[in-house]
Amino acid sequence: GEDVEQSLFLSVREGDSSVINCTYTDSSSTYLYWYKQEPGAGLQLLTYIFSNMDMKQDQRLTVLLNKKDKHLSLRIADTQTGDSAIYFCAESSGNKLVFGAGTILRVKS
Amino acid sequence: DAGVIQSPRHEVTEMGQEVTLRCKPISGHNSLFWYRQTMMRGLELLIYFNNNVPIDDSGMPEDRFSAKMPNASFSTLKIQPSEPRDSAVYFCASIGPSGGPQHFGDGTRLSIL
Repeated sequence: GEDVEQSLFLSVREGDSSVINCTYTDSSSTYLYWYKQEPGAGLQLLTYIFSNMDMKQDQRLTVLLNKKDKHLSLRIADTQTGDSAIYFCAESSGNKLVFGAGTILRVKS
Repeated sequence: DAGVIQSPRHEVTEMGQEVTLRCKPISGHNSLFWYRQTMMRGLELLIYFNNNVPIDDSGMPEDRFSAKMPNASFSTLKIQPSEPRDSAVYFCASIGPSGGPQHFGDGTRLSIL
């Protein structure tokens, strides 16, 4: 079945770039998503990429997709303390989403 | 535009009691999803509806859980009887007829004592 894997934890200094990585298994996924969850809150859609693209940039966020290796990454430039949260990668399977376990991003000031 | 609205935000109740969680999807969205989030199991899809019809309920843990969607603007997730292991955050999400990303509500934090 579908499976999405992420590293569990990332710690960076304020101002540095953060790179969160994700691997997925379903090669037929149409879209791949990044969600952000702050403490006590719901999942907020950050960005998503169509499977026929290899890069998408949106302000401080850059998504890279390597479809051959089924590898997705999210780069946050100039990371701020407000970026501290859990980041979930998800692949689409029809209307359903399969989520990774989430990566905890800790930003040190 | 209002997002996905869930109620209550927090619920604390004793085991054995019936719990009802509510969700109002974004207007015009025709697919609705119920998720459960725990530290141990992460985010799990419980059930999803398309045009008010349950499509996949394979994630519903057991018969104590039931979900309904009587109309396009309202869904409930019911647990009867509730048990301490049901304690979790329950999220509702919706998407529109052309697909795309799911939009999540703020969740209901459920504690069963």
